[in-house]
Amino acid sequence: NAGVIQTPRHKVTGKGQEATLWCEPISGHSAVFWYRQTIVQGLEFLTYFRNQAPIDDSGMPKERFSAQMPNQSHSTLKIQSTQPQDSAVYLCASSLGTGSSAETLYFGSGTRLTVL
Amino acid sequence: GEKVEQHESTLSVREGDSAVINCTYTDTASSYFPWYKQEAGKSLHFVIDIRSNVDRKQSQRLIVLLDKKAKRFSLHITATQPEDSAIYFCAASANSGTYQRFGTGTKLQVVP
Repeated sequence: NAGVIQTPRHKVTGKGQEATLWCEPISGHSAVFWYRQTIVQGLEFLTYFRNQAPIDDSGMPKERFSAQMPNQSHSTLKIQSTQPQDSAVYLCASSLGTGSSAETLYFGSGTRLTVL
Repeated sequence: GEKVEQHESTLSVREGDSAVINCTYTDTASSYFPWYKQEAGKSLHFVIDIRSNVDRKQSQRLIVLLDKKAKRFSLHITATQPEDSAIYFCAASANSGTYQRFGTGTKLQVVP
């Protein structure tokens, strides 16, 4: 099992450009989470899918961030009009998806986004 | 909003000594408390967890204690080894919640 796969590992964008981040969860896992990691804020929850359906996007900055899960094997996080404050490591995690948050998260290696 | 606070941002111990990392939480509905480890240049991986129906759990050199009254939980690493050096994150979630809320991380350095 390859674990959670995130691509690209690094992405550099200019201010105002769009960035799309990809995540492939562990096969058989039905829950996918996106978190953002910065030195200042630590790990911030962004959004969560279960069985491909969006369940909770309460952590998403509403105006420029969007996430989708078009099939069970991948999810995308899109940031429009990127700003320097969006610079962070974006982490995707998957879990079995029993419907409870009380289960182990398996994290990908992350995408380091740098907005110049 | 609900928070998980991790009290030590850095911790340095001598090899062979014990290390203790403390976290507190605010959501009284929290019932699941996992710990994750992030080694340099790598992503987080699960190390141990505890649920609210017990107050102590041990896995080899790792011990987790939970004090529900004080809304506090802690990770004890006994007989520390250099490979224990990493950033440790505590987290908490409620059964009815949808996601795990994380502390800000503790960088543990085990000095030979």
